[in-house]
Amino acid sequence: GEDVEQSLFLSVREGDSSVINCTYTDSSSTYLYWYKQEPGAGLQLLTYIFSNMDMKQDQRLTVLLNKKDKHLSLRIADTQTGDSAIYFCAERGSGGGADGLTFGKGTHLIIQP
Amino acid sequence: DTAVSQTPKYLVTQMGNDKSIKCEQNLGHDTMYWYKQDSKKFLKIMFSYNNKELIINETVPNRFSPKSPDKAHLNLHINSLELGDSAVYFCASSPLGAVGYTFGSGTRLTVV
Repeated sequence: GEDVEQSLFLSVREGDSSVINCTYTDSSSTYLYWYKQEPGAGLQLLTYIFSNMDMKQDQRLTVLLNKKDKHLSLRIADTQTGDSAIYFCAERGSGGGADGLTFGKGTHLIIQP
Repeated sequence: DTAVSQTPKYLVTQMGNDKSIKCEQNLGHDTMYWYKQDSKKFLKIMFSYNNKELIINETVPNRFSPKSPDKAHLNLHINSLELGDSAVYFCASSPLGAVGYTFGSGTRLTVV
């Protein structure tokens, strides 16, 4: 079945860039997503990328997709304390119907002052 | 407000009880989902429904029974609750085949 892998923790200094990586196995993935979850809160969609794109930029967020290596990354520029959260990578398959999302285990982003 | 709303937000109950979690969306979406987030924060899809019809039913104990009375509602009924059922349950919806998924704010279920 599909699998999405992420490292569980990333620690960065405030003001630096954070890069969260994700790999997936389903070569027929159509869309790939990044969700943010703050403590005790729900899931907030940060951004998504269509599988035929290489890059997407939205303010401080840059998503890079290497479809050949099935590797997705999220770069957060100028990381702030408010960015402290769990970041989930997710993929949607090509079923075209009521596909749900397959999530990675989440990367806990820890900001050091 | 347009949203996916779940009730209750918190649910504490004893082992062996039967409980339901309700989900409603007023976004006009065709498809609704239930996800489970365990104590390690791992998120996994449980069910998806399209227009009241069950589409995905992952490996979930049959104590869990989703019910969709209409396409705006997908409720989750759990029989004979066990300690391992303690988790946060998220409802979500999407237009069929579309990109965006909207998540509810979650129901934290604690079985004691």
